[in-house]
Amino acid sequence: GESVGLHLPTLSVQEGDNSIINCAYSNSASDYFIWYKQESGKGPQFIIDIRSNMDKRQGQRVTVLLNKTVKHLSLQIAATQPGDSAVYFCAENSNTGNQFYFGTGTSLTVIP
Amino acid sequence: DARVTQTPRHKVTEMGQEVTMRCQPILGHNTVFWYRQTMMQGLELLAYFRNRAPLDDSGMPKDRFSAEMPDATLATLKIQPSEPRDSAVYFCASGTVDQPQHFGDGTRLSIL
Repeated sequence: GESVGLHLPTLSVQEGDNSIINCAYSNSASDYFIWYKQESGKGPQFIIDIRSNMDKRQGQRVTVLLNKTVKHLSLQIAATQPGDSAVYFCAENSNTGNQFYFGTGTSLTVIP
Repeated sequence: DARVTQTPRHKVTEMGQEVTMRCQPILGHNTVFWYRQTMMQGLELLAYFRNRAPLDDSGMPKDRFSAEMPDATLATLKIQPSEPRDSAVYFCASGTVDQPQHFGDGTRLSIL
């Protein structure tokens, strides 16, 4: 029979190209956002975070953009490498507590 | 680097058996989370603790699951009796208020 499960958005990019992974959130009270990377057989790993008083934050090869007007978050990876292949999750948090809500994830495949 | 340590990494057992998963949070972290990850549901929050006190366990089936923190260095998640539908990867994460959570590499549980 047909298996039913989460349909992860997928993104395939050529090695060396830039990648953009998008995330929409629904809670307008969310004020803290995190991107995680999960490789096969491992737990989610923190990449970068951003608070709602900013609209852009840069790390090493990664940039997070936050658009509060349309409740949209994106992760840009520059010069994507094979080691960047993984599932990427966004997570949101409101100042009411330390509970984070995770998106369903996007699967990134880097083609050598 | 400080890490969240989970044991065992893999567990295979027959339905009806008791399963205990353990987590050592990062020293100094006062919040501990238990998540379950499946293909069907993605990453689900089961329970979380702050300063060893349970704050929210609404995501956990109460009749068979229990989560405790006997001390600041150990969190446990028990399933009794286990059922095949409990098969999943269980993650522990630790953090401090309003800071990113750090995840362990999970316990992959298979209930036959």
